[in-house]
Amino acid sequence: EADIYQTPRYLVIGTGKKITLECSQTMGHDKMYWYQQDPGMELHLIHYSYGVNSTEKGDLSSESTVSRIRTEHFPLTLESARPSHTSQYLCASSEQRYSYEQYFGPGTRLTVT
Amino acid sequence: RKEVEQDPGPFNVPEGATVAFNCTYSNSASQSFFWYRQDCRKEPKLLMSVYSSGNEDGRFTAQLNRASQYISLLIRDSKLSDSATYLCVVNEDTGFQKLVFGTGTRLLVSP
Repeated sequence: EADIYQTPRYLVIGTGKKITLECSQTMGHDKMYWYQQDPGMELHLIHYSYGVNSTEKGDLSSESTVSRIRTEHFPLTLESARPSHTSQYLCASSEQRYSYEQYFGPGTRLTVT
Repeated sequence: RKEVEQDPGPFNVPEGATVAFNCTYSNSASQSFFWYRQDCRKEPKLLMSVYSSGNEDGRFTAQLNRASQYISLLIRDSKLSDSATYLCVVNEDTGFQKLVFGTGTRLLVSP
């Protein structure tokens, strides 16, 4: 089993609130990723990181931001949640050399009312 | 046009059946290819890599046709536990080694 954790698993929150989705991995992986997935749809990469102090935006435009201060931790923040942010957010990590084998966390299912 | 296209299904098959899924990709520069499995409301997990020469892992066989930009997955002797969504994944060599995921093909195996 992969050692990658996400909290909370489910979050229902009102419009305008600031939220942080937590992601941690204990595998020592340098690369980490955030994906967004709507029901029945493909995963879209929204952020990624090569390592500490390295973050980049992915293909899907997102109003969220990320930080990577420690190797094991890659939190995602929404400053002001909106109903359009309702989705599942999946965090993943991989070794530097084997990027294709990504280990996913269980996801956070976010609902903004 | 989507970068990775799959028939969403669902494919309904009885236990013991053989079933095949196909996938096409649009970027001819894509370097490597994979199948991931995603159970309902769970995270995706790597099932197997896909090589030009074809590769087999137990009841699962994956094939790649670079000329036609086509990937396939064959499952023999289907089990109830094979019910899941199978994601076709393409690794684009953009420096970061980005994975592009298809929407997945849903398989339902019935007794």
